[in-house]
Amino acid sequence: DQQVKQNSPSLSVQEGRISILNCDYTNSMFDYFLWYKKYPAEGPTFLISISSIKDKNEDGRFTVFLNKSAKHLSLHIVPSQPGDSAVYFCAASEGGSTLTFGKGTMLLVSP
Amino acid sequence: GAGVSQSPSNKVTEKGKDVELRCDPISGHTALYWYRQSLGQGLEFLIYFQGNSAPDKSGLPSDRFSAERTGGSVSTLTIQRTQQEDSAVYLCASSLRAEGRKFFGPGTRLTVL
Repeated sequence: DQQVKQNSPSLSVQEGRISILNCDYTNSMFDYFLWYKKYPAEGPTFLISISSIKDKNEDGRFTVFLNKSAKHLSLHIVPSQPGDSAVYFCAASEGGSTLTFGKGTMLLVSP
Repeated sequence: GAGVSQSPSNKVTEKGKDVELRCDPISGHTALYWYRQSLGQGLEFLIYFQGNSAPDKSGLPSDRFSAERTGGSVSTLTIQRTQQEDSAVYLCASSLRAEGRKFFGPGTRLTVL
């Protein structure tokens, strides 16, 4: 049973536009959510996170929104750049240690 | 470098053989995690070490999988009698403390023929 779901395997966006990546979770005990970015042949790198006590966290071009009632979070990238092309993983944890990951969404930003 | 390193980067083995995968975490990080990513799947938790505590082995898929962490630093993941379904990228991560940001290594791509 997947506790973290990323229902879109891929997303294509034009450079300069907004990219919106979505993630749903089922475990109401999750209290910390993260987004990781992964390039081919590299390990995932941390991008941005949000605690369950917040509904928004912003870092430069990246903003994560959390809707606890809907058990949904999203990552907004504005403006999107070709270098943002990668696989994005949503992850969640209960108490901050072990992470549960989604299957990832491959983002392609075209010039 | 100062990041998490893993070796080998690639490993091809025959079904039934044993393999050992190594992880060197960031110096001083007390928490160490093993994950694997099978084709088309997300990262699947395998095992978690925190300091001197007993490891959380709840993610290990079978008793053919084991891991140890010597001296609170280097970790080795061992897969005995490998099967084709073990083929995946095995990722190691470390963090300064259990709740801290996880830093991932580049992974070991295991192919079982």
